Amino acid sequence: AQKVTQAQTEISVVEKEDVTLDCVYETRDTTYYLFWYKQPPSGELVFLIRRNSFDEQNEISGRYSWNFQKSTSSFNFTITASQVVDSAVYFCALSEAPMGRRALTFGSGTRLQVQP
Amino acid sequence: EAGVAQSPRYKIIEKRQSVAFWCNPISGHATLYWYQQILGQGPKLLIQFQNNGVVDDSQLPKDRFSAERLKGVDSTLKIQPAKLEDSAVYLCASSPYPPGTGGRMGNTIYFGEGSWLTVV
Repeated sequence: AQKVTQAQTEISVVEKEDVTLDCVYETRDTTYYLFWYKQPPSGELVFLIRRNSFDEQNEISGRYSWNFQKSTSSFNFTITASQVVDSAVYFCALSEAPMGRRALTFGSGTRLQVQP
Repeated sequence: EAGVAQSPRYKIIEKRQSVAFWCNPISGHATLYWYQQILGQGPKLLIQFQNNGVVDDSQLPKDRFSAERLKGVDSTLKIQPAKLEDSAVYLCASSPYPPGTGGRMGNTIYFGEGSWLTVV
């Protein structure tokens, strides 16, 4: 069975600090997909990134970067120079089965508070 | 491009009453999902449709929850009778392909703003 663990329940930082959100996953499949979503107070889940299990290249998008390590089953998310607008709940999610039989399994989320 | 539309946004009902939520996915998206998100938790899948067929409803409490997707477009999720523990946000999502297929961004799953249910 698939499982996603986000051990950090809540993180509070001061604006301009860097912050890393941890994500550890469990799966028996060799092909799978990892996601990060942002959930602002409005409630909508905003897609940030998708990663394939066969592509371990790290990715940077502006102030966001992702570190995927299959050896430790981790897919961590770093925000550089955090801003107040980054305050939200962030979810890591996993999708198994390339044939589409499984939807996303989410972690419990990490609430990020960025103080001005 | 219009996003996933859901209604109503907010609903308060008494236990044992019934409620229905509606979802209109992004145009052309074949796959539609209903998720339940209890406060402080991550979303949990209730049901997944591919066009108008059910792909996965293993976590849907079928004694009180039902969902349909007629004509492979809009979907309705119903709860009858509601219990206190059904208080949650009900998120609808859609994707253009089943997860795991398509291009690098092709199977991204897009979520609506959710329908917030309070059962008192």
